[in-house]
Amino acid sequence: GAVVSQHPSRVICKSGTSVKIECRSLDFQATTMFWYRQFPKQSLMLMATSNEGSKATYEQGVEKDKFLINHASLTLSTLTVTSAHPEDSSFYICSASDRGSFTGELFFGEGSRLTVL
Amino acid sequence: GDSVTQMEGPVTLSEEAFLTINCTYTATGYPSLFWYVQYPGEGLQLLLKATKADDKGSNKGFEATYRKETTSFHLEKGSVQVSDSAVYFCALHGSGGGNKLTFGTGTQLKVEL
Repeated sequence: GAVVSQHPSRVICKSGTSVKIECRSLDFQATTMFWYRQFPKQSLMLMATSNEGSKATYEQGVEKDKFLINHASLTLSTLTVTSAHPEDSSFYICSASDRGSFTGELFFGEGSRLTVL
Repeated sequence: GDSVTQMEGPVTLSEEAFLTINCTYTATGYPSLFWYVQYPGEGLQLLLKATKADDKGSNKGFEATYRKETTSFHLEKGSVQVSDSAVYFCALHGSGGGNKLTFGTGTQLKVEL
């Protein structure tokens, strides 16, 4: 099946620094990738939709300048948390749909746990 | 807009017990329905899906039937194992196009010996 890989799986950083998380589709081309944030014991909150070669579409309430998303190729999207603060600590998950045949199924990365000290 | 409602957890069962996790939805047209599973510390994995009314999705002993008349897609398993302990998410993909999924809040399942 289609594989999506996220890196890093865990990252700890100091307050005020920026952190980049990568999301790669390993064996398919992903026109669209999605970035979610998951709080403990809660569902996934869609942050933004990332389209290859164009600007990301952010959900209401998500700061564009805080969470920078780049989708430079059909297999890579990156999320950069800028000037991170402790409240940004969370589990971030990306997902992608297969460009070739979308049936509603999304393929998810393993997630990246960010801890801001 | 589209929405998915799941039963609240956590659900705690003994091994070999019967499992039902309820899921109902609101959507226009004919959405596709999914169950995703998230094991501790991991991302989500597709468990099963159904794309039209009366379809039954099944995988790893889990089943769910797309019931349009009751707008439901309840997840069932006849005999759970400790390894089934995870969070289960019901989701739908609307028939209006695009590729955004709408998720339920998730139901945590704990299976004990």
